[in-house]
Amino acid sequence: TQLLEQSPQFLSIQEGENLTVYCNSSSVFSSLQWYRQEPGEGPVLLVTVVTGGEVKKLKRLTFQFGDARKDSSLHITAAQPGDTGLYLCAAAQHYTGTASKLTFGTGTRLQVTL
Amino acid sequence: DTAVSQTPKYLVTQMGNDKSIKCEQNLGHDTMYWYKQDSKKFLKIMFSYNNKELIINETVPNRFSPKSPDKAHLNLHINSLELGDSAVYFCASSRWQGRGTGELFFGEGSRLTVL
Repeated sequence: TQLLEQSPQFLSIQEGENLTVYCNSSSVFSSLQWYRQEPGEGPVLLVTVVTGGEVKKLKRLTFQFGDARKDSSLHITAAQPGDTGLYLCAAAQHYTGTASKLTFGTGTRLQVTL
Repeated sequence: DTAVSQTPKYLVTQMGNDKSIKCEQNLGHDTMYWYKQDSKKFLKIMFSYNNKELIINETVPNRFSPKSPDKAHLNLHINSLELGDSAVYFCASSRWQGRGTGELFFGEGSRLTVL
């Protein structure tokens, strides 16, 4: 069982459509990050949400952290081909001592076509 | 000027060989990582170093040996390569943030193919 389950796994939509990606867990997190990875590149941070119920907007992308800090969603309005990529949520897990590790979700592959 | 650079970008080799991947970051970060991304795009942490000290060592075969000669470099050496080692290996760096982790800055990845 993965710590962070994302849904859907794959999403193919047309330009102009709206979509929502979900990141769910049974664990509570102090913060949660969203990354986007384009083919042939490493993931790039989009946003970090910290407070339960927090909503952050990044142009056409809206991120929400669940009230209980166990889940998050990413909503894209009027998707464009440039939004195509792999979307990953990630959360810190205590490892040992003062060390934490960033654990990634199962990923959502988004394809936006003209 | 690339922030996190890793070489080589592509590596094709035979089973049983030994290979290394190098990583350098010029962000002044004190923490560096190796992640493995499998064919299903799942990204899993392998190792983490903070100030040249190994702090995270996930369940990884001991054929994998990381080495950090200084804070800006973290190399990965793999002995006796197996077919299952084929994946994309990502180096990343961040500022040390204790119980939480800050933003990770990733390299472009090194695609390893074992034949």
